[in-house]
Amino acid sequence: NAGVTQTPKFQVLKTGQSMTLQCAQDMNHEYMSWYRQDPGMGLRLIHYSVGAGITDQGEVPNGYNVSRSTTEDFPLRLLSAAPSQTSVYFCASSYSGTGGQETQYFGPGTRLLVL
Amino acid sequence: LAKTTQPISMDSYEGQEVNITCSHNNIATNDYITWYQQFPSQGPRFIIQGYKTKVTNEVASLFIPADRKSSTLSLPRVSLSDTAVYYCLVNNAGNMLTFGGGTRLMVKP
Repeated sequence: NAGVTQTPKFQVLKTGQSMTLQCAQDMNHEYMSWYRQDPGMGLRLIHYSVGAGITDQGEVPNGYNVSRSTTEDFPLRLLSAAPSQTSVYFCASSYSGTGGQETQYFGPGTRLLVL
Repeated sequence: LAKTTQPISMDSYEGQEVNITCSHNNIATNDYITWYQQFPSQGPRFIIQGYKTKVTNEVASLFIPADRKSSTLSLPRVSLSDTAVYYCLVNNAGNMLTFGGGTRLMVKP
């Protein structure tokens, strides 16, 4: 299994541009989520999905859109990039979103720089 | 969501045992306590999880007192490769993990 994969690994955008960060998992996990991590800080939840066709907002959803058309993929879209969105983005997945005993598996991250 | 508090940083030397304590005063009955490890330029990695008393695996031990308002991650005989940030989280139903700032562990030779 490849686990959780993310593309691209690094991206530079100009203010106002849009782009999609890709995330895929091959573990048949129902639950997927996106986090951002600013330098020296912990991770903050952007959006999450408990299954195909179901998404919801996390702690910092503004400026981002998500969709979940398949179990495997959970892309994150930046609608109009801003310098404040410069960060490292991590995608994660787990078997289900219920209960407290779930372990999340994280991807390697995408480093985004917005000029 | 239960909030966690842990030391910002800790220093240790190779071969020593390291104990990192986390406070979670508002933990709910159905919450689990989970610790993740993060190396620079990598995503967090699961270390250990527990509900009460003591849990041990090949990497670490987790001690949870009866009131569950705190927990201690114990890393036996650390090496330089254990230098990382360690996050204490409380998992609630719905799995919306809340990461705090973590504890930066520096292991020195």
